[in-house]
Amino acid sequence: AQSVTQPDIHITVSEGASLELRCNYSYGATPYLFWYVQSPGQGLQLLLKYFSGDTLVQGIKGFEAEFKRSQSSFNLRKPSVHWSDAAEYFCAVGLVGNEKLTFGTGTRLTIIP
Amino acid sequence: DVKVTQSSRYLVKRTGEKVFLECVQDMDHENMFWYRQDPGLGLRLIYFSYDVKMKEKGDIPEGYSVSREKKERFSLILESASTNQTSMYLCASNTRGETQYFGPGTRLLVL
Repeated sequence: AQSVTQPDIHITVSEGASLELRCNYSYGATPYLFWYVQSPGQGLQLLLKYFSGDTLVQGIKGFEAEFKRSQSSFNLRKPSVHWSDAAEYFCAVGLVGNEKLTFGTGTRLTIIP
Repeated sequence: DVKVTQSSRYLVKRTGEKVFLECVQDMDHENMFWYRQDPGLGLRLIYFSYDVKMKEKGDIPEGYSVSREKKERFSLILESASTNQTSMYLCASNTRGETQYFGPGTRLLVL
């Protein structure tokens, strides 16, 4: 069965520090990959997506993610976090020709001064 | 900008009531989705619709039904609300093969 794993439920980082959020997937074919962010009480906003091509993708708010086929991973990174990055982050995976997405369980990010 | 709106941000209902959650999108998207979001479980797909009057079950359709009479509007119906349906409900829409855009969510409490 298809699955998406975000192994970190909660991460705390200092403002200005670097960030990496992990996402691993289990799919039979090359998937579409997404990272969404959800601020408290809000819907989900797309940070970035990978459909094909360059495996390093740039997104909004200074985020980037790298697709590593050999590791079945799509980790999200940011070189220097800001207090406004505190939110919940979801990795999602889809397949070509299938409109459904499978979401990970999310990683809550806390920023400390 | 894509806009997906949901009729209510917060809703309180009683057990056994029939509940309607409405979602409207303004980008002429073919697909619309209903998810529920629970702590520790992420988002789970309830139903989606790929065209007017067309629907397909998601991963957790039990206790829910949907209606799509117009392209821009997708309704989620709880025929007889139960306390285990207390959750955050998120609507999304997209054009085939493209990014899903989400509404702000409806937080439903069933007493």
